Amino acid sequence: EDQVTQSPEALRLQEGESSSLNCSYTVSGLRGLFWYRQDPGKGPEFLFTLYSAGEEKEKERLKATLTKKESFLHITAPKPEDSATYLCAVQESGYNKLIFGAGTRLAVHP
Amino acid sequence: DGGITQSPKYLFRKEGQNVTLSCEQNLNHDAMYWYRQDPGQGLRLIYYSQIVNDFQKGDIAEGYSVSREKKESFPLTVTSAQKNPTAFYLCASSITGFSGNTIYFGEGSWLTVV
Repeated sequence: EDQVTQSPEALRLQEGESSSLNCSYTVSGLRGLFWYRQDPGKGPEFLFTLYSAGEEKEKERLKATLTKKESFLHITAPKPEDSATYLCAVQESGYNKLIFGAGTRLAVHP
Repeated sequence: DGGITQSPKYLFRKEGQNVTLSCEQNLNHDAMYWYRQDPGQGLRLIYYSQIVNDFQKGDIAEGYSVSREKKESFPLTVTSAQKNPTAFYLCASSITGFSGNTIYFGEGSWLTVV
């Protein structure tokens, strides 16, 4: 069965303490891997799309990377405003369906 | 501003009652989607539409219905057949229904059964 697993489930960091979130996936054909940020009670906000192994994308303190089996979201020197749930989703070949992981809840403390 | 507007933000449903969640987008996107989010779980696809007057069931369509009469609008009706409707509902859209296109989300609607 196609699956997307995110780890850890929750992560607590001190301000400035860099870390990485993981998204592992098992789909028969990957068309794209998406990262979203979701604040409590809000809709997911698009961050990155990765299409092929080896691809990397950056935005401010965030950097997303992709291999054939997993993706990492690296957070460098995080600030409290980076606190949110980060969602990973995988798009299967053939149509536009997204398979979502359960997310990683990130809390950054001053 | 361009975006996806969902209403109402909060909705309460009585047992046996049908309710409709509104979703409007002004992004000129062809494809629209409805997802359901429960605590500790990933988003699950209810219905999607790749073009006006056409829609397909997602993974958890039972107890829900949709229509797509206009490109801008994709309302979701939660029927009395949906036994556990309390959840956060998210509407989304993308340029086309073909894979590789980014899906953008609205702000969500909370539905609670009372």
